[in-house]
Amino acid sequence: GAGVSQSPSNKVTEKGKDVELRCDPISGHTALYWYRQSLGQGLEFLIYFQGNSAPDKSGLPSDRFSAERTGGSVSTLTIQRTQQEDSAVYLCASSLGPSGSNEQFFGPGTRLTVL
Amino acid sequence: GIQVEQSPPDLILQEGANSTLRCNFSDSVNNLQWFHQNPWGQLINLFYIPSGTKQNGRLSATTVATERYSLLYISSSQTTDSGVYFCAVPNTGGFKTIFGAGTRLFVKA
Repeated sequence: GAGVSQSPSNKVTEKGKDVELRCDPISGHTALYWYRQSLGQGLEFLIYFQGNSAPDKSGLPSDRFSAERTGGSVSTLTIQRTQQEDSAVYLCASSLGPSGSNEQFFGPGTRLTVL
Repeated sequence: GIQVEQSPPDLILQEGANSTLRCNFSDSVNNLQWFHQNPWGQLINLFYIPSGTKQNGRLSATTVATERYSLLYISSSQTTDSGVYFCAVPNTGGFKTIFGAGTRLFVKA
């Protein structure tokens, strides 16, 4: 596609439920990043993918959070047993990766609300 | 890990005024990005500028890597420039990207 896309744009869930957030990077971008942005705050790094591998998962806040990437393209961020503190905007970015520029391009985000 | 500080935290301008936003970082970096987050939350790429000076219309940026800072200049500000401006750099020795806390800009008509 022309840009990074994310779905859903909004997700409201009840505490304790699992959610899946999807990111579709720019075609040809091998690097993919997930971030979290709480209301009025800066961006918090969660995880980095190069191809299907995740060499840096250091930002995942707990073992309830996991992510995968298949076919070197689409990525899914899964949050299990959601808590109210998980409410935030989840942003995805992609870049060309090690063989090219590291300039990151962001999707529109998924706004997650945990009731 | 690397520390990133942005200043000022908040800025109010009259339309037409100029401003300079600063980003300081605590370690050597091989890339740096400036973003504008508009009031709808979308992050817009402004500059990818590991070093040197770039210009794009009313905006320009300078990174002095040896002194560990970058500046974003906004000239003849417009109300549409309102939002939050972030700088971002890679963490030392890893793949993590560190964002500054941002400068919140409001331009009055």
